Amino acid sequence: FLLTQPHSVSESPGKTVTISCTGSSGSIASNYVQWYQRRPGGAPTAVIYENNRRPSGVPDRFSGSIDSSSNSASLTISGLRTEDEADYYCQSYDSDNQVFGGGTKLTVL
Amino acid sequence: QLQLQESGPELVKASETLALTCTVSGGSISSSSYYWGWIRQPPGKGLEWIVSVYYVGSTYYNSSLKSRVTLSVDTSKNQFSLKLTSVTAADTAVYYCSRQSNWAKPIDYWGQGILVTVSS
Repeated sequence: FLLTQPHSVSESPGKTVTISCTGSSGSIASNYVQWYQRRPGGAPTAVIYENNRRPSGVPDRFSGSIDSSSNSASLTISGLRTEDEADYYCQSYDSDNQVFGGGTKLTVL
Repeated sequence: QLQLQESGPELVKASETLALTCTVSGGSISSSSYYWGWIRQPPGKGLEWIVSVYYVGSTYYNSSLKSRVTLSVDTSKNQFSLKLTSVTAADTAVYYCSRQSNWAKPIDYWGQGILVTVSS
């Protein structure tokens, strides 16, 4: 299966942005979706796991959700800060595979 | 604190075999039920999962790469290794080694990544 993300999004500091991740087949709600942030030159770090849970240290400005009607997951970042500018990847799995979305470049300007 | 470190040639000739090793420190690779794996990111593209091994030996492959991939584990050295045969320019990427505590959990530890360039 595939996970499709918008190539890029941009928003102003202080605003709210939502990044979508749409599953190509099956129900996206069948397995958990994780979200990773990757800043230039660094390894990815999880900002959301199990659809809507935040790892320790991730601010509550980051939230995740699942919409079964559109077969998509979403990452929402509120109160945007310049340091949120990064690439964001959704990821899920089935019994034998791990799958990443193509990534979304978030620009905060 | 667990740390993963990739090592290996950063330049590989087309048609040859890419070989990378991940050295794990701060914890034993065989001590618990973790998944150890490899992920790559070609320049300007997204992340691509390559392969994962469960500590008791089951290995899971990206079907598009399976015919060219071998993952081996050396518990005596606390290392696991990736071999990718018959490489082409499309295999040029930053390669990350990783750890997952559970198949359904996020990757919780990543190596810093190593850029491998395939030359013609």
